[in-house]
Amino acid sequence: AQTVTQSQPEMSVQEAETVTLSCTYDTSESDYYLFWYKQPPSRQMILVIRQEAYKQQNATENRFSVNFQKAAKSFSLKISDSQLGDAAMYFCAFYGNKLVFGAGTILRVKS
Amino acid sequence: DAGITQSPRHKVTETGTPVTLRCHQTENHRYMYWYRQDPGHGLRLIHYSYGVKDTDKGEVSDGYSVSRSKTEDFLLTLESATSSQTSVYFCAISVDQGPRIAFFGQGTRLTVV
Repeated sequence: AQTVTQSQPEMSVQEAETVTLSCTYDTSESDYYLFWYKQPPSRQMILVIRQEAYKQQNATENRFSVNFQKAAKSFSLKISDSQLGDAAMYFCAFYGNKLVFGAGTILRVKS
Repeated sequence: DAGITQSPRHKVTETGTPVTLRCHQTENHRYMYWYRQDPGHGLRLIHYSYGVKDTDKGEVSDGYSVSRSKTEDFLLTLESATSSQTSVYFCAISVDQGPRIAFFGQGTRLTVV
């Protein structure tokens, strides 16, 4: 079975600071994809960043980057220079033969 | 956006009544999903489809059925709604190749009273 675990129900960060959200997953597959999605209060699901498991290089999208540790089955999201607009629920997701999500982490940004 | 529409957006229904939620896509993708979102549980997969008439169960499929008679439509049915099925339901589609990026509908808030 494929499972995704986000161990931090809530996180807080000061504006302009850096925060890291944790995600671990369990799978027996060797070929898969990992994602971080953002859900603001509007309920819209927004893709933040994606990582192909066969790529060793960590993905980066502007202020968002990941630390992908395949052997440890870890996929953390780092948000640099946090902004008020980053406040949202963040979901880690795994795609092997179907798309599975973690429970989410609420990120609060303090001004 | 990926041209995905859910209907209805909001629904209140009584316990024991059947309910059908519709997901419609304009992109012709094979993979479609139904999730429910509840506080503390994130998005949990109910059922998914990988083609017309090809469906499979997710982790919380009890009490739900699905049908996909056309590529563009994926229907989720609650045969006899219960209060535990009060939730926000999301439909998603994922591209057929490469990273399988998923696009989501706007969600349906279902309340069973």
